[in-house]
Amino acid sequence: GQQVMQIPQYQHVQEGEDFTTYCNSSTTLSNIQWYKQRPGGHPVFLIQLVKSGEVKKQKRLTFQFGEAKKNSCLHITATQTTDVGTYFCAGLAAGGTSYGKLTFGQGTILTVHP
Amino acid sequence: DTEVTQTPKHLVMGMTNKKSLKCEQHMGHRAMYWYKQKAKKPPELMFVYSYEKLSINESVPSRFSPECPNSSLLNLHLHALQPEDSALYLCASSPIWGDRGMYGIQYFGAGTRLSVL
Repeated sequence: GQQVMQIPQYQHVQEGEDFTTYCNSSTTLSNIQWYKQRPGGHPVFLIQLVKSGEVKKQKRLTFQFGEAKKNSCLHITATQTTDVGTYFCAGLAAGGTSYGKLTFGQGTILTVHP
Repeated sequence: DTEVTQTPKHLVMGMTNKKSLKCEQHMGHRAMYWYKQKAKKPPELMFVYSYEKLSINESVPSRFSPECPNSSLLNLHLHALQPEDSALYLCASSPIWGDRGMYGIQYFGAGTRLSVL
């Protein structure tokens, strides 16, 4: 079945440092979505990437979708303590009827030290 | 309104109890999902309902029984659970559009934190 690998599992940074998490799918994706889950919270949708090579920015966050639509990354510039949480990528398989089934990466737990 | 409401927020139950989790959305979404999430793990899909019909059951044990009474409501009935079923149970919804049934982004509820004693 489809698998989405996400690295690193943990990342500790000093406030102000940059952070990147990477996702790689075993199969071509229709789209990839990114979610953030704060400690004790629930996943909150951040962004969806659909097109090959797509790059989207949200303030200090930059999201990229690979040319082959199998990999993606999230980069945060100058982290702040409010960035703390777990970042998940979730891929929607290409082709066929997926019924919206997302395959989640394992998540990257980000800790920001002030 | 992009809210998915789940009740209760917390639930403690014994292994012989029967309880239900509830989920409600008023965004007009026609796909609804149940996920189970353990600590430090990603959400794990359990069930998907599309147009009030069960379209995916990820081989979930029969002690979990989903129900979709109408397009706004989703229930998860629990019976004879095991301690290892303790987890955060998340509900999500998404729109479906187009002739090819394209599923949109998922909006998650805050979850029910379940403890089975």
